[in-house]
Amino acid sequence: QKEVEQNSGPLSVPEGAIASLNCTYSDRGSQSFFWYRQYSGKSPELIMSIYSNGDKEDGRFTAQLNKASQYVSLLIRDSQPSDSATYLCAVNEEGGNNRLAFGKGNQVVVIP
Amino acid sequence: ETGVTQTPRHLVMGMTNKKSLKCEQHLGHNAMYWYKQSAKKPLELMFVYSLEERVENNSVPSRFSPECPNSSHLFLHLHTLQPEDSALYLCASSQEVVGSNEQYFGPGTRLTVT
Repeated sequence: QKEVEQNSGPLSVPEGAIASLNCTYSDRGSQSFFWYRQYSGKSPELIMSIYSNGDKEDGRFTAQLNKASQYVSLLIRDSQPSDSATYLCAVNEEGGNNRLAFGKGNQVVVIP
Repeated sequence: ETGVTQTPRHLVMGMTNKKSLKCEQHLGHNAMYWYKQSAKKPLELMFVYSLEERVENNSVPSRFSPECPNSSHLFLHLHTLQPEDSALYLCASSQEVVGSNEQYFGPGTRLTVT
C-alpha cells in the first residue's frame, strides 16, 4: 500500500522567514507529486505540481523532487501570515494513474 | 473558486435518514472523485468516475452509493449512516483519470451523523 509520510509537527516560522516542509513516499514508481494548501474549515487548494527531479519555482513557492531518495519538499519564501495553513503532500501511483495518496499534512503557523 | 461546486455545504442527519450530496464541475473534466476527510487522518479516496463510468470503489460500505449521470455531475447517496461517518466529504475533478493530471477540489460538505 502506498504511504506518504509527513512527519514534522506544527511548524512555526516568523513572518518573512522560509518555511520548509518535507514529504517522503514509499512507491518508487510514483510519477507525479503535488502540494495542496488547506485552510482551517476549507477544502484543499492545489498550489504546486512537480513531475521531474529538481526544483520548480512558482512565486514564493519552490517544490523540490528527488526520486532516488523518494522525497519531495516545499519551500515557502518570505512567509506571510496568510500562509498559515495545513499543507498536504499528494503522490500518484506508479503508471501515472490519477489515484492520489495523501499525507496527513503539516500545519504551518506564520508569526507576525 | 476552483470550478467545482458542492451542495449542501453542511448537513446534519440521523442514522435512519436518507440524503444526497451533489457535486458539479464546470471545468470540462472527464474524471470525478469522492474523498472523505476525517480529523487526524489523511484524505481517503472513496470512488472514481471516468466519463460517467465508475472505475474504482475503495472498499466503501454500501451505505454510500455514488451516481454519475454525466461527466459534470456526481452524487453521493447516503442511507443508514453511522456516527463515525461524520466527516468532510470532498468532490474533486481532473482532466482524465489516467496520466499525471491535477485534481481540483470543491468546497466540501461537512456531514454530521447524529
